[in-house]
Order: sequence, then C-alpha cells, then structure tokens
Amino acid sequence: KAGVTQTPRYLIKTRGQQVTLSCSPISGHRSVSWYQQTPGQGLQFLFEYFSETQRNKGNFPGRFSGRQFSNSRSEMNVSTLELGDSALYLCASSLEQGLEQYFGPGTRLTVT
Amino acid sequence: QQQVKQSPQSLIVQKGGISIINCAYENTAFDYFPWYQQFPGKGPALLIAIRPDVSEKKEGRFTISFNKSAKQFSLHIMDSQPGDSATYFCAASMDSGYSTLTFGKGTMLLVSP
Repeated sequence: KAGVTQTPRYLIKTRGQQVTLSCSPISGHRSVSWYQQTPGQGLQFLFEYFSETQRNKGNFPGRFSGRQFSNSRSEMNVSTLELGDSALYLCASSLEQGLEQYFGPGTRLTVT
Repeated sequence: QQQVKQSPQSLIVQKGGISIINCAYENTAFDYFPWYQQFPGKGPALLIAIRPDVSEKKEGRFTISFNKSAKQFSLHIMDSQPGDSATYFCAASMDSGYSTLTFGKGTMLLVSP
C-alpha cells in the first residue's frame, strides 16, 4: 500500500499571503489529522477530519482551517501568513476508529 | 500545560548499548501510548505502542515499559545501532479522542559506532 502523501514538499511564502497544503491518506483510511512541527513547540495537533467533518480542533487561531473531501483527501489552509507559521506541517491518516496514525513526509513551509 | 513530558532531550549511546527514553503523562484519561521515530527530512514513523492494561510490550529490539500508578512509560532500545540514530517522540491519546495525539518534546538519539 502506498503511504500518506503530501504536496507540495517545500513551500516559500511571504507574510500576509495564504497557502493551501494537500494530503492523500493511505487507501482505506478515513481519518486525517494535521500537526504542526516546530523546533520550539514540537508536534502540535491542528485538527482532525473524518467523513468530511472536523471532529476535533487544536488550539490554533482561526487563520488555520482545513477540509476533507469525499475520497478522504484533505487540505489545510493558512491565511494571512505570519513568520511564526514557518514549520513542518504533517498529515497523518488512520482507520475509522484507529489510534494508529501514519504520517506523511510533511510540507516544509517557510514564511519570509 | 505540557501533558506529556519527555526526557532526556538528547542521548548519546555506544553501539551495542541500551538506549532509554522516559515519558510522564498527567491526564489519566490517556489510554494509548505510542512511540514514533523520526529521521531528518521524514515524517514520524510509528515504532511501537502500548495500552495501560499491560506493563511491558516488546517488538524486536524495542521494548515499552509502562507504570500506570506512576503515570510513566519508557522506551528501551536494546543493542542500539548507528541506524537507530534519530529523534524519538512519545505520545498519548484517548480512545475517545478522535485520533488526537499529544506528543512529548522529543529525544535526539545518537548511537556512536
């Protein structure tokens, strides 16, 4: 089975712009979670989607949003980018009620 | 509030030695405790996981020890190899937590040849 794929792998944006990141889960996985990884804060949960519905959300501002499509693919969007949004954004997928989460390689976002 | 505390931040072990990484949690509702391994430029990879109904789980050279009363769990890597050099993260989740993982800050392990 193919693993979790994320596109793009690298992205450079300017402050104030917006960005959309994409994630394709492992085939058959219906839950997709997003995490932000930074050297200072480590891995922090952003949100989780299942069957196109956001089931849980972490403690991030409303500039961070996401959605899931009927094929379980997911996108996350960050609007009005700030320098502090520079991070590795990781997507993880799991089965319907699965606790085992499998991560993609991440998208490295740099905000200048 | 950091709900999962991980130590040490970094660790150097000689080849063939035992690497030990410790984690402590605060939320007694946590009931699933995985360990992830991350190499530079890669996403975290699930290594091994444990539920609180067992005190130890072993998979190859990797062992999780779990102490429910102390709210602590640890990862032991036996016969550590240079290829084990990576960052290790402990995490915790709740069965009802909709796949939300709370991570420790990570331990950078270096296994010297």
